[in-house]
Amino acid sequence: GAVVSQHPSRVICKSGTSVKIECRSLDFQATTMFWYRQFPKQSLMLMATSNEGSKATYEQGVEKDKFLINHASLTLSTLTVTSAHPEDSSFYICSARTATGIMNTEAFFGQGTRLTVV
Amino acid sequence: AQSVSQHNHHVILSEAASLELGCNYSYGGTVNLFWYVQYPGQHLQLLLKYFSGDPLVKGIKGFEAEFIKSKFSFNLRKPSVQWSDTAEYFCAVSPNQAGTALIFGKGTTLSVSS
Repeated sequence: GAVVSQHPSRVICKSGTSVKIECRSLDFQATTMFWYRQFPKQSLMLMATSNEGSKATYEQGVEKDKFLINHASLTLSTLTVTSAHPEDSSFYICSARTATGIMNTEAFFGQGTRLTVV
Repeated sequence: AQSVSQHNHHVILSEAASLELGCNYSYGGTVNLFWYVQYPGQHLQLLLKYFSGDPLVKGIKGFEAEFIKSKFSFNLRKPSVQWSDTAEYFCAVSPNQAGTALIFGKGTTLSVSS
């Protein structure tokens, strides 16, 4: 099946710095990718929908200036956590869906990125 | 907007017991339905999915789920659990429309004692 690759798998950064997380669809073109955040022992919360060539759509309560999303090509979306603080420490997961026309087909998830801000 | 409700927060079973985890969703249109499992320290793994057709879906590791449209439900079942089934289980739903995200339930922790 299709593969979504996320990098890095783990990152530790200092408070105040920025961190970029990459999400690649390896064998299919993803016009739409999704970014989730998962706190320990909790569910995945949708942060934003990333659309190739246009601005991302953020869920309510997600700061778009803090979580910058760029989807410059059909195989790559990036999430940049700007001016990171310890409360941004979390597990970030990207996802991409294939589609046939207007209908969805599969949903594929990256391996996730464990961000720790110290 | 759609939402997903998983009724059981934590389920504790002995090996060989039967399992049923509840999942209800709220969305009036055609949906895609999923169950994912997350083992400790690992990423999500798809157990099974429903897009259309037979409402009884069989997945990996002996799991199955039944879509009951009238009840907006997609409950997960397994006749006989194993210790290795100890994990977090997530139900997810999306509209059957290109470009839509999966929305996840809060998850159910399953603990199986040997």
